[in-house]
Amino acid sequence: DVKVTQSSRYLVKRTGEKVFLECVQDMDHENMFWYRQDPGLGLRLIYFSYDVKMKEKGDIPEGYSVSREKKERFSLILESASTNQTSMYLCASSPPVRGSEKGAFFGQGTRLTVV
Amino acid sequence: GNSVTQMEGPVTLSEEAFLTINCTYTATRYPSLFWYVQYPGEGLQLLLKATKADDKGSNKGFEATYRKETTSFHLEKGSVQVSDSAVYFCALSGGSNYKLTFGKGTLLTVNP
Repeated sequence: DVKVTQSSRYLVKRTGEKVFLECVQDMDHENMFWYRQDPGLGLRLIYFSYDVKMKEKGDIPEGYSVSREKKERFSLILESASTNQTSMYLCASSPPVRGSEKGAFFGQGTRLTVV
Repeated sequence: GNSVTQMEGPVTLSEEAFLTINCTYTATRYPSLFWYVQYPGEGLQLLLKATKADDKGSNKGFEATYRKETTSFHLEKGSVQVSDSAVYFCALSGGSNYKLTFGKGTLLTVNP
């Protein structure tokens, strides 16, 4: 089974802190994604990566950056955390284009609270 | 671009009731279609999928049929259980666009 592991289930950080959310997948997937989930808004794509060191902005990249130095690891960085970044963050991975019909596999989520 | 519209919730049913959650989509190319489920406090799990027109995806008693003519992928279950209480997301991915586009989710609560 595919396993996508996020480093923390719950995080509490202070406004202005630099925050790192880590995600690791064990299925050698090319594609990895970061979403945030908010009530009434569903899932919104922040960034995604289709290869090591490659990244593309999603729908809401402002205030975030990402790093993918190794194929299995995709990190989301909040450069200076703000209270409006309090949310549930979900990491996902998927096979390459021909495997898009398989969908994506998700981690358990990190609930981040910025105070 | 791609978009997914699903039934607004919340939906509250009694155990053994029939469930339908509507989902329609807009896509520039023929997409693959998915239903994901999120149980309280958890990430998303793939529930079922269909990759071409008239395909029926099924899992755990849930079904959805890919209807190209109506651009729909409605989720159904004949008899829901309390354990089905969760948020359900309809999603698509299409062609060279491997990104998933999600609907806003539908909260289902099943009462005993």
